[in-house]
Amino acid sequence: GAVVSQHPSWVICKSGTSVKIECRSLDFQATTMFWYRQFPKQSLMLMATSNEGSKATYEQGVEKDKFLINHASLTLSTLTVTSAHPEDSSFYICSASDRDLHYNEQFFGPGTRLTVL
Amino acid sequence: GQSLEQPSEVTAVEGAIVQINCTYQTSGFYGLSWYQQHDGGAPTFLSYNALDGLEETGRFSSFLSRSDSYGYLLLQELQMKDSASYFCAGEDNFNKFYFGSGTKLNVKP
Repeated sequence: GAVVSQHPSWVICKSGTSVKIECRSLDFQATTMFWYRQFPKQSLMLMATSNEGSKATYEQGVEKDKFLINHASLTLSTLTVTSAHPEDSSFYICSASDRDLHYNEQFFGPGTRLTVL
Repeated sequence: GQSLEQPSEVTAVEGAIVQINCTYQTSGFYGLSWYQQHDGGAPTFLSYNALDGLEETGRFSSFLSRSDSYGYLLLQELQMKDSASYFCAGEDNFNKFYFGSGTKLNVKP
């Protein structure tokens, strides 16, 4: 089956610093990658959609200058949380899809737990 | 906009059958997916319905009625390991998925 990895799995940082999270599709080329945020006991909230070689599309209410997304290749997308603050502490999950190969199925990474002190 | 509603929690016993409902209001609706998520883990794909009707995959089945903007996930022969949160996710015509609030399923012996 398709595998998606995320790195790091857990990060603690000081307020004001920036954190980069990587999302990789290991055994398939992902035409699209999605970034979600999930607070404890809540649902996944779609933050942005990332297509290789083009600018990410952000959902309403998500600050694109704060959450920088780069989709450098068909197997790698990065999310950078800039000037992180305690309210940014959350579980960040990426997913990847290739509609030509896995119709309408998204493959999720294991998630990155961010704690901002 | 996108809005999907599910019951917050359901409890059932091992071996039983449980149905988790999902009603949606999704602009440009394309299809409905179901995902399972254990505490601390990533969501895993269970099923997808683009057309009306029932899709069966082992112990899990999913149903969609586009005219009623309604779907459900049916879990049969419940096992303890099925205790998890279950999310419906509506896909729009831009291939984006929006998740419901999630249903916590508690399976008791």
